[in-house]
Amino acid sequence: DAKTTQPTSMDCAEGRAANLPCNHSTISGNEYVYWYRQIHSQGPQYIIHGLKNNETNEMASLIITEDRKSSTLILPHATLRDTAVYYCIVRPFTGTASKLTFGTGTRLQVTL
Amino acid sequence: KAGVTQTPRYLIKTRGQQVTLSCSPISGHRSVSWYQQTPGQGLQFLFEYFSETQRNKGNFPGRFSGRQFSNSRSEMNVSTLELGDSALYLCASSETGSNYGYTFGSGTRLTVV
Repeated sequence: DAKTTQPTSMDCAEGRAANLPCNHSTISGNEYVYWYRQIHSQGPQYIIHGLKNNETNEMASLIITEDRKSSTLILPHATLRDTAVYYCIVRPFTGTASKLTFGTGTRLQVTL
Repeated sequence: KAGVTQTPRYLIKTRGQQVTLSCSPISGHRSVSWYQQTPGQGLQFLFEYFSETQRNKGNFPGRFSGRQFSNSRSEMNVSTLELGDSALYLCASSETGSNYGYTFGSGTRLTVV
């Protein structure tokens, strides 16, 4: 699986957009970008995924650059409950399950 | 739809003992994966089961083993516990052939004393 690089930590004011970057310069053509987050002492939670087009769901938006070497997760209006560690993962879709490889993630702190 | 259920939530064991953790996936999910999370090593993949067969295995010693039953429920076993096995053990299930992500349980917090 391709390796990802994320900043160790970020701060965001409540109500503002949180933009979390991820570098995946060695991504292969069949690999998807997934984002998960983990709130303290809970299991990771799936947020969003994409291949090459930008994606949006009720939780977040995912912007993938045209060359697919980097992406940004956007939480449009961050709240205190969005404080968590955010993981960017790339993995191929094989039609069957395959393991997720978690890096160190970005610790997002949302403040008043 | 019920989520991924892991039991027990908390467990305290003594060095040298063995332990069995249980995971019930979301109904219809045939893939179950296990992860170990420690402050020092982060989230590390243990193994993955699909239709009762182990498909992938992480870099853990043979003391860590698992199995999956015909109803997709899975168990993992750790024998001869060491202090370093203290961790949050997470189980995740996935729908076959789905592009969507894994759904994780809340984990079992194992403390070895």
